Amino acid sequence: GNSVTQMEGPVTLSEEAFLTINCTYTATGYPSLFWYVQYPGEGLQLLLKATKADDKGSNKGFEATYRKETTSFHLEKGSVQVSDSAVYFCALSERGTGANSKLTFGKGITLSVRP
Amino acid sequence: GAGVSQSPSNKVTEKGKDVELRCDPISGHTALYWYRQSLGQGLEFLIYFQGNSAPDKSGLPSDRFSAERTGGSVSTLTIQRTQQEDSAVYLCASSLSFGGNYGYTFGSGTRLTVV
Repeated sequence: GNSVTQMEGPVTLSEEAFLTINCTYTATGYPSLFWYVQYPGEGLQLLLKATKADDKGSNKGFEATYRKETTSFHLEKGSVQVSDSAVYFCALSERGTGANSKLTFGKGITLSVRP
Repeated sequence: GAGVSQSPSNKVTEKGKDVELRCDPISGHTALYWYRQSLGQGLEFLIYFQGNSAPDKSGLPSDRFSAERTGGSVSTLTIQRTQQEDSAVYLCASSLSFGGNYGYTFGSGTRLTVV
């Protein structure tokens, strides 16, 4: 079946530091890839997505590139802010309407940014 | 409604009692999903609905868990004879249709604590 593996957390950074959160996946088909973010006390929100190889998703200064050769979708941001403190989830879903087209999530990683 | 609404937001129940969790999806969204978020376990898929039918119940952890959806709208997740390991945040999401091309909108979740 499909699976998503995220690096272990939590991660604590100082403001303006560079962020990388690793994500790799296993899929039987050709998936779309997502990063979701959960701010304290809120529901999950879509942060960015990429639907085909070499696509780059970007939003709010975050970027992730769909790397089919390494089955990865690492999240990066050049300069984090305190307001980026949240839990980040990598996820995938396959195209179409089969059972694997539901979202499969990684375990999530908590990011804390110090002023 | 404007977003996915879940109720109650918090529920504390005694071991052995039954609980019902409610999800009101975005109007017009035909697909509805339930996930469970446990500490350190990420998001675990429970069940999805396409309209009122649930083609995939494989994620329900035991026969104490059941879910229904009526009128293609509100869904109820019922847990019978609750156990302490059922303590988690239960998340509901909806999308326009089932399939990998449609984005999910998540509710804020119901935090269930079994004492």
